[in-house]
Amino acid sequence: AQSVAQPEDQVNVAEGNPLTVKCTYSVSGNPYLFWYVQYPNRGLQFLLKYITGDNLVKGSYGFEAEFNKSQTSFHLKKPSALVSDSALYFCAVRAFSGYALNFGKGTSLLVTP
Amino acid sequence: DTGVSQNPRHKITKRGQNVTFRCDPISEHNRLYWYRQTLGQGPEFLTYFQNEAQLEKSRLLSDRFSAERPKGSFSTLEIQRTEQGDSAMYLCASSHGRAGQDTQYFGPGTRLTVL
Repeated sequence: AQSVAQPEDQVNVAEGNPLTVKCTYSVSGNPYLFWYVQYPNRGLQFLLKYITGDNLVKGSYGFEAEFNKSQTSFHLKKPSALVSDSALYFCAVRAFSGYALNFGKGTSLLVTP
Repeated sequence: DTGVSQNPRHKITKRGQNVTFRCDPISEHNRLYWYRQTLGQGPEFLTYFQNEAQLEKSRLLSDRFSAERPKGSFSTLEIQRTEQGDSAMYLCASSHGRAGQDTQYFGPGTRLTVL
């Protein structure tokens, strides 16, 4: 079975400060890992993914994520947060041989001016 | 707009009625997925199509739920005899299916409210 844990329901950060949204995963075999963002009353927007290769993955809107196999983590980061980054962020994992994404319960990011 | 589209965006129905949702995937995407999202939770997988074949179904997909993708293009999700517990956002996603390009892109969702 595969699963994702997002240990923080909410992350608060001041505009201009770095942000981190945490994600740990459990999967048999090599994982495919994803981050999506959801704005109110909208679907999920793809941010970035890790399939293989470099552990640091760069994505949309200045976001990046670091894959750490030993800690089974895939934390989302951004060097300088914007108020417009405030949204709900979901981490997801897919087994190499599977199709379905398993999502965490989401982390609400609030960036204050 | 070449993204995934879903109709209707909102549906309010009375308990016991049948409802049907439509999803139009990104053109050339041969894989299509349905998920359900309830308040405060992440999306949960319901079912998956490759072209017109339904290849995987979650245990969440009770016998009141049926999905089709008749010509390998658009898909419909029908819920019969709706229950209040069916109230949720129903999300559709599509992907290319090629190695390294299997990112799922999501539509805006259909929000179902069962009274």
